[in-house]
Amino acid sequence: AQSVTQPDIHITVSEGASLELRCNYSYGATPYLFWYVQSPGQGLQLLLKYFSGDTLVQGIKGFEAEFKRSQSSFNLRKPSVHWSDAAEYFCAVVATSGTYKYIFGTGTRLKVLA
Amino acid sequence: DAGVTQSPTHLIKTRGQHVTLRCSPISGHKSVSWYQQVLGQGPQFIFQYYEKEERGRGNFPDRFSARQFPNYSSELNVNALLLGDSALYLCASSYDDTLSGNTIYFGEGSWLTVV
Repeated sequence: AQSVTQPDIHITVSEGASLELRCNYSYGATPYLFWYVQSPGQGLQLLLKYFSGDTLVQGIKGFEAEFKRSQSSFNLRKPSVHWSDAAEYFCAVVATSGTYKYIFGTGTRLKVLA
Repeated sequence: DAGVTQSPTHLIKTRGQHVTLRCSPISGHKSVSWYQQVLGQGPQFIFQYYEKEERGRGNFPDRFSARQFPNYSSELNVNALLLGDSALYLCASSYDDTLSGNTIYFGEGSWLTVV
């Protein structure tokens, strides 16, 4: 069965520091991967997605993610974090058996220190 | 353009009651999905509808039902509410039900508290 693991429940970084959020997936075929961000009390906003092609994907708000098939990973990165990036981040894989349902990880909560 | 809109934004219900949550997709989108997000967890898939037909159902009891209307809006119904149904219910829309057209965009959600 498909699954997504986000090993870090909480991450704290200083404003201006670089950021990497980890995501590992379990999927037999070519995965379709996404990162979403959720601010407190709000819905999820799509940051970026990977379907195929270039393994380095650029997204909104200066985020990027790299797909590494050999490591079953799709880590999210940002070179310089802003205080407004404090939120919860979810990695997701699309399961393609029957219907295209999204399977989400448990999320990583990012705290940014001024 | 308006995004996915959901109503109500917050509601409180008593155990055993019934609730209806409503969703309007992004203009031009024909598929609607529903997800349940319990505090501290990622969203869990409940239903997907496309062109008024159910295309998928997650591991939820029959107390959960949904439907999609000709204008592509959707309702999620939950009967016989339990305390464990307290969650954020997210509606998401996508252009169609193909993989390439299935990038989903979420609404702000409906917060349901069951007491």
